[in-house]
Amino acid sequence: QVQLVQSGAEVKKPGASVKVSCKASGYTFTSYDINWVRQATGQGLEWMGWMNPNSGNTGYAQKFQGRVTMTRNTSISTAYMELSSLRSEDTAVYYCARGFSGGINDYWGQGTLVTVSS
Amino acid sequence: DIVMTQSPDSLAVSLGERATINCKSSQSVLYSSNNKNYLAWYQQKPGQPPKLLIYWASTRESGVPDRFSGSGSGTDFTLTISSLQAEDVAVYYCQQYYSTPRPITFGQGTRLEIK
Repeated sequence: QVQLVQSGAEVKKPGASVKVSCKASGYTFTSYDINWVRQATGQGLEWMGWMNPNSGNTGYAQKFQGRVTMTRNTSISTAYMELSSLRSEDTAVYYCARGFSGGINDYWGQGTLVTVSS
Repeated sequence: DIVMTQSPDSLAVSLGERATINCKSSQSVLYSSNNKNYLAWYQQKPGQPPKLLIYWASTRESGVPDRFSGSGSGTDFTLTISSLQAEDVAVYYCQQYYSTPRPITFGQGTRLEIK
């Protein structure tokens, strides 16, 4: 069965970086996009960007341009999202999701809580 | 970016009754070349990731109960739950994926509760 398993919760200080992993199984990793979406506590869903695991091509929401980097390691079917220059407003649950047809997200990871606090 | 606006923000419906959630996009998400609306609906329960319910505005994802249906075209869309069950209590989000190469945008969410 399709699964996306994310890395565990992180606590970071302002100005630091965080790297969240998303390990895919149950399907061909390079055949579907990976989207990253975040959700602050009690808030809605916010798309951060996407990656094509086959080509490595990426696209980022303008809000995160210059601070986010999405990469992958195809040999272990794992996608990564790194966010730098963290601030308190980046405290949120970060999700990876398998995407097709330009943005239909049919399987989601369990989420990774990133807390930014001094 | 395409802005997605849902209404209402919250909704209370009696068990067995119909629930209707609306979603409006700031520009059409109907792609004329294939006549498809690039609109999806998700359900999110507390402490869980979102779950895909509907895509292409009206195609039900495999395993989703048939009491869930999607309709609409262009800029106005509706998610209908024909007979509300207790397990349908959740927040519902619409999302457009029309923009190319991206970005994807979500509505602000509609909280559905039992009356």
